Amino acid sequence: AQSVTQLDSQVPVFEEAPVELRCNYSSSVSVYLFWYVQYPNQGLQLLLKYLSGSTLVESINGFEAEFNKSQTSFHLRKPSVHISDTAEYFCAVTFTGGGNKLTFGTGTQLKVEL
Amino acid sequence: DAEITQSPRHKITETGRQVTLACHQTWNHNNMFWYRQDLGHGLRLIHYSYGVQDTNKGEVSDGYSVSRSNTEDLPLTLESAASSQTSVYFCASSSNLGSNTEAFFGQGTRLTVV
Repeated sequence: AQSVTQLDSQVPVFEEAPVELRCNYSSSVSVYLFWYVQYPNQGLQLLLKYLSGSTLVESINGFEAEFNKSQTSFHLRKPSVHISDTAEYFCAVTFTGGGNKLTFGTGTQLKVEL
Repeated sequence: DAEITQSPRHKITETGRQVTLACHQTWNHNNMFWYRQDLGHGLRLIHYSYGVQDTNKGEVSDGYSVSRSNTEDLPLTLESAASSQTSVYFCASSSNLGSNTEAFFGQGTRLTVV
């Protein structure tokens, strides 16, 4: 069975500072990796995903994540955060041959302060 | 625009009552999913369906049921509501069985069982 660990439940950061949200996974088979974002009182939206190819993937709003197979990690980073990035971020995986069933981490609340 | 809608957005019910949460999508997606979101647990899969008349149990299916009579809808029924089922429920859909496919989420239903 696969699992996802997000060690940081909350990450406070000042505006324009860099941030890294950590995600580690465990699986005996190949996985696909996703980051979803949940803004207050809304559903989840896909932020970015790693399927294959380049290990560095980017989103349209400045976030990036790097797949590291040896460390089984998929950490999310942004070099300079904005107040509007305040949200909960979920790391998730699906595994090859397992359909679309997502296994989620417990989430990281990013709080950007002035 | 295609979308996925959940109703109601908020519901308060009494212990022991039967409750049905609606999920309707206009993406014409074959796959539909129900998750519950709880603090410290992230999102966990309750039930899912890969097409009409197909339903499957997820990680936390006890006390819940679903039926899929058409492509657009996957209602979630709590047979006899319990306080442990107080949670935020999310419906999601995706287009095919590939593990790399993005899932689209509804806005969520906040259910309180008193």
